[in-house]
Amino acid sequence: DTGVSQDPRHKITKRGQNVTFRCDPISEHNRLYWYRQTLGQGPEFLTYFQNEAQLEKSRLLSDRFSAERPKGSFSTLEIQRTEQGDSAMYLCASSLVGRGRSYEQYFGPGTRLTVT
Amino acid sequence: AQTVTQSQPEMSVQEAETVTLSCTYDTSENNYYLFWYKQPPSRQMILVIRQEAYKQQNATENRFSVNFQKAAKSFSLKISDSQLGDTAMYFCACWGSRLTFGEGTQLTVNP
Repeated sequence: DTGVSQDPRHKITKRGQNVTFRCDPISEHNRLYWYRQTLGQGPEFLTYFQNEAQLEKSRLLSDRFSAERPKGSFSTLEIQRTEQGDSAMYLCASSLVGRGRSYEQYFGPGTRLTVT
Repeated sequence: AQTVTQSQPEMSVQEAETVTLSCTYDTSENNYYLFWYKQPPSRQMILVIRQEAYKQQNATENRFSVNFQKAAKSFSLKISDSQLGDTAMYFCACWGSRLTFGEGTQLTVNP
């Protein structure tokens, strides 16, 4: 069990550029979640996948945001035309549904995005 | 909709003493779960303790225990024998249909 990993850990970009983040969940986990966390606040839910299907999206996930999990393993989160308000920590978490522990989510280290 | 409220933005405690962090929540789900997560500075979120709402017995994990008052929708975390490594931001969270976090309590353990 290597845990949830995220890449990159830090990203600095200029306003208007596109960025893509990657998340690799714990290998046997079938659910994958994306959250956004701003300084001094708790994480806010963005979206989640069960296997390759995106089952729910928050209203926080504007049209500039898109997430994929093409083969039910790793996931990518892309932000197009970044804005300064997108600066935040983007957290990924995973969980295993079906063994009575689906509510336990394990978090990755996050990707800190700074938009200048 | 779910809400989680942590009314203590900051707390401090002396090493080896006991501290209690407060949390209240609201959910329309009948079956839900409650968690405390720890986030050390510049490090990832770690699950500290979990409580199934249908269980009356309070959860305990080593030095960490909860006081779950379902009728009052209260879920506090007690840390006994505080250690310097307990210094972190602590988040209370509720899982009903999705995981909802409170705003966090910054705990500092002083030597």
